[in-house]
Amino acid sequence: QVTLKESGPTLVKPTQTLTLTCTFSGFSLSTSGVAVGWFRQPPGKALEWLAMIFWNDDKRYTPSLKTRLTITKDTSKNQVVLTMTNMDPVDTATYYCAHFNTIFGVAGGWFDPWGQGTLVTVSS
Amino acid sequence: QSVLTQPPSVSGAPGQRVTISCTGSRSNIGAGYDVHWYRQLPGTAPKLLIYGNNNRPSGVPDRFSGSQSGTSASLAITGLQAEDEADYYCQSHDSSLYVFVFGTGTRVSVL
Repeated sequence: QVTLKESGPTLVKPTQTLTLTCTFSGFSLSTSGVAVGWFRQPPGKALEWLAMIFWNDDKRYTPSLKTRLTITKDTSKNQVVLTMTNMDPVDTATYYCAHFNTIFGVAGGWFDPWGQGTLVTVSS
Repeated sequence: QSVLTQPPSVSGAPGQRVTISCTGSRSNIGAGYDVHWYRQLPGTAPKLLIYGNNNRPSGVPDRFSGSQSGTSASLAITGLQAEDEADYYCQSHDSSLYVFVFGTGTRVSVL
C-alpha cells in the first residue's frame, strides 16, 4: 500500500524559507519510473503543480516559481523535501505531495495517491 | 494559474446525469496528452477518479466516465448521488511549459 504524508511548519514569516518533507512508504524512489510531485492549494482555490523529482534525480519545476523552489530526495529515508524561499502571504496554502504514475509515460502520468496535505500560513 | 478551464459549478437532482467540461489548448489536451480527473471532498486531499482519459481505478463506480475530443475533455456522472457533492479537477500535461496543469475546478452540487 502506497502512502505519503507531508510535514513541516504550519506558520512561517514573510521572507522566510519554507521546508516541507514528504515521507512515503510502499514504493522506492530508486526504482525506475518512480516520481513524487508537490502541489499547493490556496484556501478556496484550485490545485497548482509545483515540482517533481524522478527516480534518476531528474527535477521539474513550475516556471513561475522555479527560482524559489528546490526539490531533493533522500532515498534511504523514503523522503522528498521541497524548499520554497522568500515566502509571502500569497503562498498561504495547503501543500500536498503525491506519487506519480508513469505507466502511460511521463507526459501522460497522473498523481495517485496523495498525502493528506499540510496547511502553511504565511504571516508576520 | 490554471491552464485548463472548467465551469465553476454544475448541479443536478439525484439520479440525473451531469457533465463537467475541461477546455485546454493545442499544447496540452489538443496535443494528445491524456486527461485525468480527481475528486476532492471538503477538507480532504484530492483522489484519483479517472486516469488516461477514460479509465477508472479500482473502487470507482462505473457511474463515472471520461472522454476527450480535440482540445477538450469531459467527465460524466450518471445516477447522481448526494455523496458526489465535491470539487472535481482535470489534469494534463502542457508541452509548451513542460508542466503538469490542472483545471480551474468544478463544484458539483446535488439539489
